[in-house]
Amino acid sequence: LAKTTQPISMDSYEGQEVNITCSHNNIATNDYITWYQQFPSQGPRFIIQGYKTKVTNEVASLFIPADRKSSTLSLPRVSLSDTAVYYCLGGDSNYQLIWGAGTKLIIKP
Amino acid sequence: NAGVTQTPKFQVLKTGQSMTLQCAQDMNHNSMYWYRQDPGMGLRLIYYSASEGTTDKGEVPNGYNVSRLNKREFSLRLESAAPSQTSVYFCASRTGTGGSYNSPLHFGNGTRLTVT
Repeated sequence: LAKTTQPISMDSYEGQEVNITCSHNNIATNDYITWYQQFPSQGPRFIIQGYKTKVTNEVASLFIPADRKSSTLSLPRVSLSDTAVYYCLGGDSNYQLIWGAGTKLIIKP
Repeated sequence: NAGVTQTPKFQVLKTGQSMTLQCAQDMNHNSMYWYRQDPGMGLRLIYYSASEGTTDKGEVPNGYNVSRLNKREFSLRLESAAPSQTSVYFCASRTGTGGSYNSPLHFGNGTRLTVT
């Protein structure tokens, strides 16, 4: 199982690009990297998933280097509404995922 | 499209009381999950159902039972509530079965349970 490590908290400002890095040194060959976002009083929401290199969707990009021991979630031009907790998970089946405490991202005006 | 619906949203129980948390999804998903989340922590898996008719224990199953009533509904029962079960409970579903990982989890908005 891929145990992940990510910063406990980060601050940024509206309009900036935010990069949250996650380390997963023991990631297995079959493991994907998935990021979820959670607002207070809500369930987590899927943001993006990747296996290697770069994946981009309408809300974020995910960079995974060749050794796959880390990944970086990139949020372009953040707004106040991006204030949330972001979780990085590795694993090849959802019932084996390990959820850490996540990264609390605070966006300031 | 409602997604994953959980009821009730809030519940207060006395120690020793029982209750059932309800979860229903309208996305025709095969797999369903129950998690608990304690303050400032990530989610911990209680039970899951990889497909209709099957259930399996997760990381923290003690004190809980589940029923996969049909493809849409997956309930979580606390037979004799304890203060240690005070938490936020999330139900989730995904389209894949077994070990397939390409489909993301879809979560409900949780049930906030307090046991006094």
